[in-house]
Amino acid sequence: GENVEQHPSTLSVQEGDSAVIKCTYSDSASNYFPWYKQELGKGPQLIIDIRSNVGEKKDQRIAVTLNKTAKHFSLHITETQPEDSAVYFCAASAGGTSYGKLTFGQGTILTVHP
Amino acid sequence: EAQVTQNPRYLITVTGKKLTVTCSQNMNHEYMSWYRQDPGLGLRQIYYSMNVEVTDKGDVPEGYKVSRKEKRNFPLILESPSPNQTSLYFCASSLSGFGNSPLHFGNGTRLTVT
Repeated sequence: GENVEQHPSTLSVQEGDSAVIKCTYSDSASNYFPWYKQELGKGPQLIIDIRSNVGEKKDQRIAVTLNKTAKHFSLHITETQPEDSAVYFCAASAGGTSYGKLTFGQGTILTVHP
Repeated sequence: EAQVTQNPRYLITVTGKKLTVTCSQNMNHEYMSWYRQDPGLGLRQIYYSMNVEVTDKGDVPEGYKVSRKEKRNFPLILESPSPNQTSLYFCASSLSGFGNSPLHFGNGTRLTVT
């Protein structure tokens, strides 16, 4: 089955700096890669996603890049703010017989210091 | 308001005492899923359901049961809880189950089994 590895497990930055979180996946059939943000005491919320026919997607201060050949994708947050502090999860959806399964990475705790 | 509602938010129980965590969504979503979140392990899928009366195992189904008798409800049943099932549980739903529809998560149920 699909295996998703996420790094780093913790990331500490100063307000205004950029933050990058990286994920690798194992199943070359995976075609959908969402990122979720989990704030304290809440469930994860989708912040951005990318499909396998696209190499990069941007939404204001957040961008995601995908390298299908290397089987890795990354989340980039620019001009970080204290409210970006949260746990971030990447995920990958495998096609074929794994329809319905979304495999998550281990999570990254991002702390933005004012 | 569109939401996924889990109950209870907190639950402390003893080994072997059957319990049910309820999950309900009001978005007419076909797909529902249960995850457990443990430090360093991310979100792992327990069971999922593509539609009414259709359920399937995720990555860590041992010790759990589910049912999907109605579209809106997807309860998680622990017939004989054990301490290794102490975890934070999330229910989620999405429009379709093909891994490329955004997942909407509940706010979680923190379960402690002593």
